Amino acid sequence: QVQLVQSGAEVKKPGSSVKVSCKASGGTFSSYAISWVRQAPGQGLEWMGRIIPILGIANYAQKFQGRVTITADKSTSTAYMELSSLRSEDTAVYYCASGIGLGGNDAFDIWGQGTMVTVSS
Amino acid sequence: QSALTQPASVSGSPGQSITISCTGTSSDVGSYNLVSWYQQHPGKAPKLMIYEVSKRPSGVSNRFSGSKSGNTASLTISGLQAEDEADYYCCSYAGSSTSWVFGGGTKLTVL
Repeated sequence: QVQLVQSGAEVKKPGSSVKVSCKASGGTFSSYAISWVRQAPGQGLEWMGRIIPILGIANYAQKFQGRVTITADKSTSTAYMELSSLRSEDTAVYYCASGIGLGGNDAFDIWGQGTMVTVSS
Repeated sequence: QSALTQPASVSGSPGQSITISCTGTSSDVGSYNLVSWYQQHPGKAPKLMIYEVSKRPSGVSNRFSGSKSGNTASLTISGLQAEDEADYYCCSYAGSSTSWVFGGGTKLTVL
């Protein structure tokens, strides 16, 4: 069974950047999209963008265009999400998610454990 | 892209059935049979309960079912159990430029 394991919690200053990793183990990584979804404290889920590692092509939600970069390293089965120009409103838990278990890209059946990013001066 | 619209809360007694609605537009829910539902307990990652409108992943109870009519999708939970108390989110594909959009979430309380 594929698992997604994310990097640890981060505390960042406003205006800085954060890079969160998501490593896949136990299955095929490259063929299926890896999405990033965030959840601010007490709020709902918000899709940020995704990448299909085998293609190296990423697309992003309009809200985050220009501020988020999603990449993937096929050799280590790891996806990355970098968010720049951080502000307090970016304080959230960031999840990676994929449809690897379903064998498709139509839903998110595998989730990472989440990475808490706190933006504070 | 606006979030899909869900009721903020629903409640039911053990054994009863409840339905959570998820209203989108003709650009998302109405155009694609790619609606999924997620259950989230406090402090946990979301769990997929329904995908492609009405399909259940392996291991998900058949008490959970999904449907869609026009721009509105629905999740029905029958035979409510205490462990069903959680937040529920719908999600829909919204085309290649937007990709995915989530609902605002519904808190289910089992009385």
